[in-house]
Amino acid sequence: SAVISQKPSRDICQRGTSLTIQCQVDSQVTMMFWYRQQPGQSLTLIATANQGSEATYESGFVIDKFPISRPNLTFSTLTVSNMSPEDSSIYLCSVEVRDRGMNTEAFFGQGTRLTVV
Amino acid sequence: AQKITQTQPGMFVQEKEAVTLDCTYDTSDPSYGLFWYKQPSSGEMIFLIYQGSYDQQNATEGRYSLNFQKARKSANLVISASQLGDSAMYFCAMREAYNQGGKLIFGQGTELSVKP
Repeated sequence: SAVISQKPSRDICQRGTSLTIQCQVDSQVTMMFWYRQQPGQSLTLIATANQGSEATYESGFVIDKFPISRPNLTFSTLTVSNMSPEDSSIYLCSVEVRDRGMNTEAFFGQGTRLTVV
Repeated sequence: AQKITQTQPGMFVQEKEAVTLDCTYDTSDPSYGLFWYKQPSSGEMIFLIYQGSYDQQNATEGRYSLNFQKARKSANLVISASQLGDSAMYFCAMREAYNQGGKLIFGQGTELSVKP
């Protein structure tokens, strides 16, 4: 398994400002993933963060709005830029781990509950 | 078309009884993985169980088991002996092997309420 520490756990931010969310993993992982969960909705992938290269963004998400850093194999940040109330969501980081049986398990951080006012 | 479908927005179960949460999926990839997660009101996503498309047996983890019916493309979660702490949102997700990025596609979730 993997232990993922994500912070902050929650924040209330003014519109127009930016918030950087940090995700720390207790082991080295190749890919880290950032998801958004809007109120009452399911999870949607924002981007995949690869160490040593630019993040890969899903349709509807752009780097200017959600810049991502991945300086090493255990850490990543997601910034929500120029926030508006529509950005109020839970943001979650995730990593993929293979167990001894080569099964894939995907673990999530505790999530960041963001409210933009 | 929806890749992952959870048709039960909400479910109720009596404490100590078993409950089945439905999940159907759609993929043409012969290699894929299916996941179930629990999300309590705190918002964290708790991994429950995983089933690979080539696994011969249904996955089990404690009180959780996955009723995998490949021909029907269903992967229902069975929770035995429900507890009050099982009340939460439950999400089914799929990862297709062709997707090199490892992206998970989630269903809309089922809110489970356990009654005392």
